[in-house]
Amino acid sequence: DTAVSQTPKYLVTQMGNDKSIKCEQNLGHDTMYWYKQDSKKFLKIMFSYNNKELIINETVPNRFSPKSPDKAHLNLHINSLELGDSAVYFCASSGGAGGYTFGSGTRLTVV
Amino acid sequence: DAKTTQPPSMDCAEGRAANLPCNHSTISGNEYVYWYRQIHSQGPQYIIHGLKNNETNEMASLIITEDRKSSTLILPHATLRDTAVYYCIAAFNAGNMLTFGGGTRLMVKP
Repeated sequence: DTAVSQTPKYLVTQMGNDKSIKCEQNLGHDTMYWYKQDSKKFLKIMFSYNNKELIINETVPNRFSPKSPDKAHLNLHINSLELGDSAVYFCASSGGAGGYTFGSGTRLTVV
Repeated sequence: DAKTTQPPSMDCAEGRAANLPCNHSTISGNEYVYWYRQIHSQGPQYIIHGLKNNETNEMASLIITEDRKSSTLILPHATLRDTAVYYCIAAFNAGNMLTFGGGTRLMVKP
């Protein structure tokens, strides 16, 4: 079983559309995250979500919103997509003293 | 979280030890040193972490200097599959939001 799974793996969409990326973890971790990796390969934290506490990176536009139906899921909704949103988005989870476990990423292309 | 500094790239011969340095001179007493790697097009992978003592697991060894201002990740017998970008991060614990820098691009050559 994949520990952190994201869907879809690839997403191509037009500017102005609204899309969602789903993330599920089966590790029993308490905290989940979303990261964005742009074309320059820098990984930037977007959100951290722990037991209904949301921590937002202040640089993230409010068009991005995480939604957590339960502890095992943290979905990412993006409204009014822009060309600059094209990137690879990674979901991750953490619990206890160990490190993060990352998903395999969702490559979003906005055309 | 303390800022870390890593060389942008390194080469290593296959079968030899790869020693990846990291400077974290502003690290505070209760910040851990975490190492991750990202193989092309994949999600980052946790390798190892430590606070003060040296640590070893099935993937690597982590050597932290006594003053904790720097550390070295050691891959004892590098293989071609170890070619990746390696990130050194200082953070209070795994529950904090980890900030990734530029990392070191390690190229393992035959």
